[in-house]
This record gives sequence, structure tokens and C-alpha cells, in this order.
Amino acid sequence: KAGVTQTPRYLIKTRGQQVTLSCSPISGHRSVSWYQQTPGQGLQFLFEYFSETQRNKGNFPGRFSGRQFSNSRSEMNVSTLELGDSALYLCASSLTVSVETQYFGPGTRLLVL
Amino acid sequence: QKEVEQNSGPLSVPEGAIASLNCTYSDRGSQSFFWYRQYSGKSPELIMFIYSNGDKEDGRFTAQLNKASQYVSLLIRDSQPSDSATYLCAVKSVRSGGSNYKLTFGKGTLLTVNP
Repeated sequence: KAGVTQTPRYLIKTRGQQVTLSCSPISGHRSVSWYQQTPGQGLQFLFEYFSETQRNKGNFPGRFSGRQFSNSRSEMNVSTLELGDSALYLCASSLTVSVETQYFGPGTRLLVL
Repeated sequence: QKEVEQNSGPLSVPEGAIASLNCTYSDRGSQSFFWYRQYSGKSPELIMFIYSNGDKEDGRFTAQLNKASQYVSLLIRDSQPSDSATYLCAVKSVRSGGSNYKLTFGKGTLLTVNP
């Protein structure tokens, strides 16, 4: 069974731009969570989607948004990029709303210049 | 006080020794506790999670939880060079209303196992 896939793997943007990241969960998994990882703040939870509905949200500004499609694929959007948004963005999928059984994808490394 | 604290390390142990990784948390209402391993340049992978006070063993790994002391640890027996990685502690607590949860990670401890 294929694992979680994320595209693109690397991305360079400039301040003020927006970016969309994509995540395809493991087949059959209906929950997708997004995380941001930086050296300074560590791994931080962004939000979780299940059955196309946002079920949980971390403490990030409204510039960070997401959505989930009927096939469970998810996208995350960051608008008006700031230098501090440079990070590794990780997606994780699980069968249900359960972090106990989530599997992480390889991540998208975003650099904001 | 940080919500989840870990010693950043590096923690260096010889091959075959027991590595002990520690984590403290501030929210007494926390319910689930997780240990992830993250190799350099890779994504985290779940090692194990624990709900109840006491020990939980899985192969060479043992998680220990003490809710009274707000402390969770991970022991790695017979450490191998392949165990060299950053170990992340995460704590799940349920928000008011019971429908949402909060998952907070520590910044991780870098473990080096020397051959």
C-alpha cells in the first residue's frame, strides 16, 4: 500500500505570495492532518480534516487554510507569505480522527525569500 | 512554563546501553502521550503511545507514564547506531466540549548511539 504523498517536495516563494500544498493520504484513510515544523518552534499542529470537514484547528493565523476533497486528498493554502513561514510542512493521514494511528508523509519544504 | 518540555540533548550513549529520554508536560488534563522518532531529513514515525500510568513495552522500547508527576519517558534497551535520531514527545489533551483535541509536541531530544 502506498504511503502518504505530498507535492511539491520543495518550493521557493517570495514574501507576499501565496502557496498551495497538496497531500494524498494512504488509500482508505479519511483523516488528514497538517503540521508545520521549524527549528525554532518545533512541530506544530495546523489543522485536521475528516470527511471534507475541518475537525480540529491549531493556533495559527487565518492566512493558513485548508480543505479536503471527497477522495480524501487535502490541500493547504498559505496566503501573504512571510519569511517566518519558511518551514517543513508535514501531512499525516489516519483511518479515522485518531492521531494514535497517523502516518506522516515526506513533507514539503517551503522557503520564503 | 512550556507545555511540553524535552532536553534537547544531544544524548550520547554507547551501543548496547539503555537510552533514557524524558518529557514533562504542564496540562494535567492530558490524556494520551506519544513518542515519535525522526531521522535527519525524514518525517516523524510513531514509536508508541501510552494512556495509563505505568509502563508499556514494545520490543526494545518501553514508555513510562507518571501522571502525578506529569512525566513521560522512553527507554530504549540495547541501543543500536540505527537508533540515532531525534525523539519527539507529544501530548494530546481534550479541549472543552470534548469534540476537539490539542496535540502539542516537544522540540525533541537528539540521541546519538556510538558504535
